[in-house]
Amino acid sequence: AQSVSQHNHHVILSEAASLELGCNYSYGGTVNLFWYVQYPGQHLQLLLKYFSGDPLVKGIKGFEAEFIKSKFSFNLRKPSVQWSDTAEYFCAVSEGTGGFKTIFGAGTRLFVKA
Amino acid sequence: EAGVAQSPRYKIIEKRQSVAFWCNPISGHATLYWYQQILGQGPKLLIQFQNNGVVDDSQLPKDRFSAERLKGVDSTLKIQPAKLEDSAVYLCASSTPGAQETQYFGPGTRLLVL
Repeated sequence: AQSVSQHNHHVILSEAASLELGCNYSYGGTVNLFWYVQYPGQHLQLLLKYFSGDPLVKGIKGFEAEFIKSKFSFNLRKPSVQWSDTAEYFCAVSEGTGGFKTIFGAGTRLFVKA
Repeated sequence: EAGVAQSPRYKIIEKRQSVAFWCNPISGHATLYWYQQILGQGPKLLIQFQNNGVVDDSQLPKDRFSAERLKGVDSTLKIQPAKLEDSAVYLCASSTPGAQETQYFGPGTRLLVL
C-alpha cells in the first residue's frame, strides 16, 4: 500500500533562514505529488504539484519542490522564509493513472520566529 | 468563485449518539472527497465520489459511517453511533475529475465525542 513519510513533525526557523521539508513516498509506479499548506485559521490549499515534465516545480510564495524518482522523494524548499510562512505543510501522493486515491503525510508544523 | 462549504463548523456529542455533516462543493466539480483528520495526523480519505457514484470507500468504517451524494452535488456524511475515537476534523474537498487535479478544501467540521 502507498504511504507518505514526512521526516519532521515540527520545525522552528528564524526569518531569512532556508527551509527544506522532506517527503518520501512508497509507490513504484507513476505518481502525482502535491504539497498543501494550512495557514493558521485557514483552509488547506495547494502550494504546488508535480505530475510530469521538469522535476523542479515552483509554487506560490517562492516555494519550490524537486521530484527525485530514484529516491522516491519530493522535498519542499524555500531559500528564505518569512514569519508569514508559519503554517502546517502536508505532502500528498496520488497514483498517476487509474487510481485516484490521495494519500497524505502526517504534516510538518513550521514556526518562523520574527 | 465560492469555495467548498461545510456545516456545522463544530459539533459536540456524546458517544453512541449520531451526527451528520453537510458539504457543498465548488460548482462544476464532479469529484467530492470526505477526509478524517485526527489531531497530529494528515487527512485520511474516507470516501470519494465521482458525480453521485462512489469511487473509493475502502477506508470508510461502514458499520457506523455512511455517506451519500444523491444528486451529484452536495453530500452528507453520517456517523451512527459515534465512538470516542471519531473525534477529529472532517474535511470535505472537491475537484474536477483526475488524479492530477488540485483538491479544494472546505473549512472542516470539528467533532468532539464525549
